[in-house]
Amino acid sequence: DQQVKQNSPSLSVQEGRISILNCDYTNSMFDYFLWYKKYPAEGPTFLISISSIKDKNEDGRFTVFLNKSAKHLSLHIVPSQPGDSAVYFCAASEIVTDKLIFGTGTRLQVFP
Amino acid sequence: NAGVTQTPKFQVLKTGQSMTLQCAQDMNHEYMSWYRQDPGMGLRLIHYSVGAGITDQGEVPNGYNVSRSTTEDFPLRLLSAAPSQTSVYFCASSAGTGSYGYTFGSGTRLTVV
Repeated sequence: DQQVKQNSPSLSVQEGRISILNCDYTNSMFDYFLWYKKYPAEGPTFLISISSIKDKNEDGRFTVFLNKSAKHLSLHIVPSQPGDSAVYFCAASEIVTDKLIFGTGTRLQVFP
Repeated sequence: NAGVTQTPKFQVLKTGQSMTLQCAQDMNHEYMSWYRQDPGMGLRLIHYSVGAGITDQGEVPNGYNVSRSTTEDFPLRLLSAAPSQTSVYFCASSAGTGSYGYTFGSGTRLTVV
């Protein structure tokens, strides 16, 4: 039972354009949502998070949007750069259980 | 500041062998977790700990044991390795849940033959 889902395994975007990565979840008890970026042969690195009481959080080129009624969140990267090419994981945590659950990841390729 | 250190980086085991994957962090983080990454499956939580002496099961705990005797260390034990445990294993630590991001180690690539 996958509680956090990333239905697009890959995404290809031209440099300078917007990248939109999507994530859906099923557990309405999740309190926080996080995005991680992973390069090959490295561990994931934390990008940005959002609390369930907010609908938007921005950090430089990265913005995360949360739609609680649809149980959906998205990560916007604008403008996209070749260095953004990586696998992006959506994750969610529930304070009561302290677990951090990840999605299956989306591979983003930014081409010149 | 080393962050999260995992050893070894690579390991090949024979079916039925046991081994311990080591994880140490120097950030005084209370929360530590073990994940495995498999193609198409993302990162799946094996075991986690919210402090020394406290551990709990994640999504895929079978075949693995953990203990947390100190804040710094969180070893993962494979009791009797199986080919299904071939994977990349990541250890992570955090100051807390919520908006705190976990810091991950660089991973251990394990092959069971």
